[in-house]
Amino acid sequence: DVKVTQSSRYLVKRTGEKVFLECVQDMDHENMFWYRQDPGLGLRLIYFSYDVKMKEKGDIPEGYSVSREKKERFSLILESASTNQTSMYLCASRPHYGSGNQPQHFGDGTRLSIL
Amino acid sequence: SQQGEEDPQALSIQEGENATMNCSYKTSINNLQWYRQNSGRGLVHLILIRSNEREKHSGRLRVTLDTSKKSSSLLITASRAADTASYFCATGSNDYKLSFGAGTTVTVRA
Repeated sequence: DVKVTQSSRYLVKRTGEKVFLECVQDMDHENMFWYRQDPGLGLRLIYFSYDVKMKEKGDIPEGYSVSREKKERFSLILESASTNQTSMYLCASRPHYGSGNQPQHFGDGTRLSIL
Repeated sequence: SQQGEEDPQALSIQEGENATMNCSYKTSINNLQWYRQNSGRGLVHLILIRSNEREKHSGRLRVTLDTSKKSSSLLITASRAADTASYFCATGSNDYKLSFGAGTTVTVRA
């Protein structure tokens, strides 16, 4: 079974802090994703990486950056945390073959609170 | 952008009953996927149906897809307490993206 591990289940940070969310997958997947989930809005894509050192902006990249130095690890960075970034953050991975016809495998999420 | 929209937003049923939820979308798709999310956890993939398929089964799950109406339905038969969760549809095109709806919250009463 694919395992996607997010480093923290719960995180509390202060406004203005630089925040790092880490995600590791163990199935050698090329594609990795970061989403945020807010009530009534479903999942919104922040950033996507299709391979090592490759990244693309999703639908809501403002205020975020990402890093993918190794295939198994995809980091989400909040450059200067703000209260409107309080949310549930979900990481997912997927093999590249088959284009869009592949399910995504999700971690358990990080519930981030910015005070 | 949110493409799929689930209906109803919430559903409460008795154990043993069937649960049906619907998903509508706006643009053409390559496939449609259904995911389940238990409270406080990540999403788990349930089933994928391609745009050239009309119906698919997996255990107690039945998914239909009507591309002419741009809609899909997920049926869970003989529901159990463990089926209590939120269910999301997600549409896939030929690129990497999945567009998720806001979900249907299903509560199965014992």
